[in-house]
Amino acid sequence: QKEVEQNSGPLSVPEGAIASLNCTYSDRVSQSFFWYRQYSGKSPELIMSIYSNGDKEDGRFTAQLNKASQYVSLLIRDSQPSDSATYLCAVNGPGYSTLTFGKGTMLLVSP
Amino acid sequence: DVKVTQSSRYLVKRTGEKVFLECVQDMDHENMFWYRQDPGLGLRLIYFSYDVKMKEKGDIPEGYSVSREKKERFSLILESASTNQTSMYLCASTKAAGSSYEQYFGPGTRLTVT
Repeated sequence: QKEVEQNSGPLSVPEGAIASLNCTYSDRVSQSFFWYRQYSGKSPELIMSIYSNGDKEDGRFTAQLNKASQYVSLLIRDSQPSDSATYLCAVNGPGYSTLTFGKGTMLLVSP
Repeated sequence: DVKVTQSSRYLVKRTGEKVFLECVQDMDHENMFWYRQDPGLGLRLIYFSYDVKMKEKGDIPEGYSVSREKKERFSLILESASTNQTSMYLCASTKAAGSSYEQYFGPGTRLTVT
């Protein structure tokens, strides 16, 4: 059974700070990794995907992947109150279109 | 832009009723999924489909069935709704195997069974 673990939080950061969200996964052969943002009462929205070791940057967001250590992280620079949401990490294996989701980390950005 | 739509945002049904939840995607995606999301339990996969008329059980298929008669449409059926099926139901879609597997979600249906 694949597992994806995230700290449930809440992670509280002040506006303008860097928020760091972490995720570990159990299946060594996982190849695709995703971060979703979910506002309260809304559906998950894909914000980042990463497939190879290292960093991938998109605006204020940076995804980091370390397959040897089986973790993936999401950094949010210059955090804004509008970033307050639950962030879901998702992982899939080779040849499978299904994703395994973590339970999410709640991020609270205070003005 | 990928667009996934679901038939209702909010639905209230009585115990024992048959419930249909519909999902439509406009990106010609081969794979479609139904999840439910409950506090503390996260997203759980109910069923998925990788082609018309094909279906695969997910982690929690009991009490549910699905139908995929057309590529763009995937329906979730609660044969006899029960109170423990009160939940947020989310549909998602993605391209076929060999692609990036990015799943795109619909807005969700909040189902209450009384």
